[in-house]
Amino acid sequence: QKEVEQDPGPLSVPEGAIVSLNCTYSNSAFQYFMWYRQYSRKGPELLMYTYSSGNKEDGRFTAQVDKSSKYISLFIRDSQPSDSATYLCAIGGIQGAQKLVFGQGTRLTINP
Amino acid sequence: EAQVTQNPRYLITVTGKKLTVTCSQNMNHEYMSWYRQDPGLGLRQIYYSMNVEVTDKGDVPEGYKVSRKEKRNFPLILESPSPNQTSLYFCASSSGLLYEQYFGPGTRLTVT
Repeated sequence: QKEVEQDPGPLSVPEGAIVSLNCTYSNSAFQYFMWYRQYSRKGPELLMYTYSSGNKEDGRFTAQVDKSSKYISLFIRDSQPSDSATYLCAIGGIQGAQKLVFGQGTRLTINP
Repeated sequence: EAQVTQNPRYLITVTGKKLTVTCSQNMNHEYMSWYRQDPGLGLRQIYYSMNVEVTDKGDVPEGYKVSRKEKRNFPLILESPSPNQTSLYFCASSSGLLYEQYFGPGTRLTVT
């Protein structure tokens, strides 16, 4: 079983739609949860970071963590064509392990 | 400008010919890491370094070597490249594993 599972998509939605991106993980010891965004031909860049269950909001983006279900989500409201990118979840924080595990990435396209 | 640089950006080589991909950061970060990105497999960690002269294996270290003689540089060495090392490689740096990782622009390597 993979430590982190992420639907690779691709996902294509119209501009203005609400987008939901999800990851599941297998080890309940993970404590830190991140979302990175990667534009074509670029390196990933940090979008959201959280270390507790619940929601964290930043503008049009909301990161949600459900530790009991081992499930994390990223919601994008009022999606824009500039949001078209690959989104990668990343989890880490197992005590004693210098390890950050990335999901496969979901390729998202927002159509004007 | 804070950045991570990698060179070369593109490289085509033949099996068995030793190569080095350089990585340099100007943010005085202690933590540096190398990843490879393959379709359907996402980002996988090759090696990481927590400080000068301190390196350790990630998830896919076979066929790679690293060194950390200076804080700013973390080269990736392929002593005898093979076709299965054809991939997109990213270097990243951060203040610590669980802080924001800054990624370089990537190096696309093709081994024939």
